Amino acid sequence: DGGITQSPKYLFRKEGQNVTLSCEQNLNHDAMYWYRQDPGQGLRLIYYSQIVNDFQKGDIAEGYSVSREKKESFPLTVTSAQKNPTAFYLCASSIDMGTQYFGPGTRLLVL
Amino acid sequence: ILNVEQSPQSLHVQEGDSTNFTCSFPSSNFYALHWYRWETAKSPEALFVMTLNGDEKKKGRISATLNTKEGYSYLYIKGSQPEDSATYLCAPTNTGNQFYFGTGTSLTVIP
Repeated sequence: DGGITQSPKYLFRKEGQNVTLSCEQNLNHDAMYWYRQDPGQGLRLIYYSQIVNDFQKGDIAEGYSVSREKKESFPLTVTSAQKNPTAFYLCASSIDMGTQYFGPGTRLLVL
Repeated sequence: ILNVEQSPQSLHVQEGDSTNFTCSFPSSNFYALHWYRWETAKSPEALFVMTLNGDEKKKGRISATLNTKEGYSYLYIKGSQPEDSATYLCAPTNTGNQFYFGTGTSLTVIP
């Protein structure tokens, strides 16, 4: 089945620790995205990538990093510089920059 | 960043009732408007994408309209069913094709 997978479903981070969220798609989409959801707010764009080896900052990129070494994969690292990392993270992909298709999400909690 | 407003924030209706929600957005630099349905514990699912003023889209009992001049879109559900219970998100995009998500309308259909 074609789709987007995110792992893990839940992730715990200790203070000062970097953690990486996985996002994989087998839809052959060129563009991939990372969003963050906080209570009472809409999805906010962290980073996006239109093509392999290229990515752009979204509205809230501070404290995050990404890589796009393969078309299928767009991992997001939440660094220790992100002071408020507790949130629900959604990955999406699209053909060019059209309709986005979403994964099931990862919930990150800080210990 | 676009200011996207969705109303109401939440809605409870009886099975069989028809209902509608509103998405308001700045009309300048408008490119497209996307509607998504997000059921609990699932991924957001694309419902419609509309680009032209006066566009109307329909999918079963769900339909949507678009007014780009005044900056709003309506989503209608006719004869609501319990399986329609979800959060409905709208996301206008500008000419840069970035999605700006509203906070959503949470619909609960009571059997």
